[in-house]
Amino acid sequence: DIQMTQSPSSLSASVGDRVTITCQASQDISNYLNWYQQKPGKAPKLLIYDASNLETGVPSRFSGSGSGTDFTFTISSLQPEDIATYYCQQYDNLPDTFGQGTRLEIK
Amino acid sequence: EVQLVESGGGLVQPGGSLRLSCAASGFTFSSYWMSWVRQAPGKGLEWVANIKQDGSEKYYVDSVKGRFTISRDNAKNSLYLQMNSLRAEDTAVYYCARGGVFSGSCYYYWGQGTLVTVSS
Repeated sequence: DIQMTQSPSSLSASVGDRVTITCQASQDISNYLNWYQQKPGKAPKLLIYDASNLETGVPSRFSGSGSGTDFTFTISSLQPEDIATYYCQQYDNLPDTFGQGTRLEIK
Repeated sequence: EVQLVESGGGLVQPGGSLRLSCAASGFTFSSYWMSWVRQAPGKGLEWVANIKQDGSEKYYVDSVKGRFTISRDNAKNSLYLQMNSLRAEDTAVYYCARGGVFSGSCYYYWGQGTLVTVSS
């Protein structure tokens, strides 16, 4: 199985800050990577698909980049409603696997 | 509006069985891959199984192979997960998720989840 390693596991930032989360795959997954946001007590929500494509309706402050084994998720200007846990997910090979999550908090 | 509503969760003893259902609306159910994804309490996400539009292809994570069966009824716009020989480590919130037309591996829409607790 392909292992997905996210860092950091938790992050505290201020409103307006630029926030970056990284995700590393244990092998080359091309651009077969998605990013999800999960707010407490809620289902996950797709934000970014195919590494860099913004899902319809998702604010443009969210972005993704990378290919191969190294990927980055960025929030350009953190908003209070962005408090959540963020997960990367690879789908190059079954089983689809998720990173362990990055818990984002407001300072 | 796309809606996915899971049901069927609950408390079951180890070795027992449970059948989860997911009622879909707001889209042409028969046109999309469907999946189950679970989340153990306080833990991350784990893909469980997915099924092609016509049910001709089904895939499972190794830990549930031979115990869980995914199925669908396109006439009823419903997805199912039959879970047998349940173990404590199957305790989780189970989410129904809609995939794409060509791939089951991008989870565009999710239900609210149903909690399965395996305990004596």
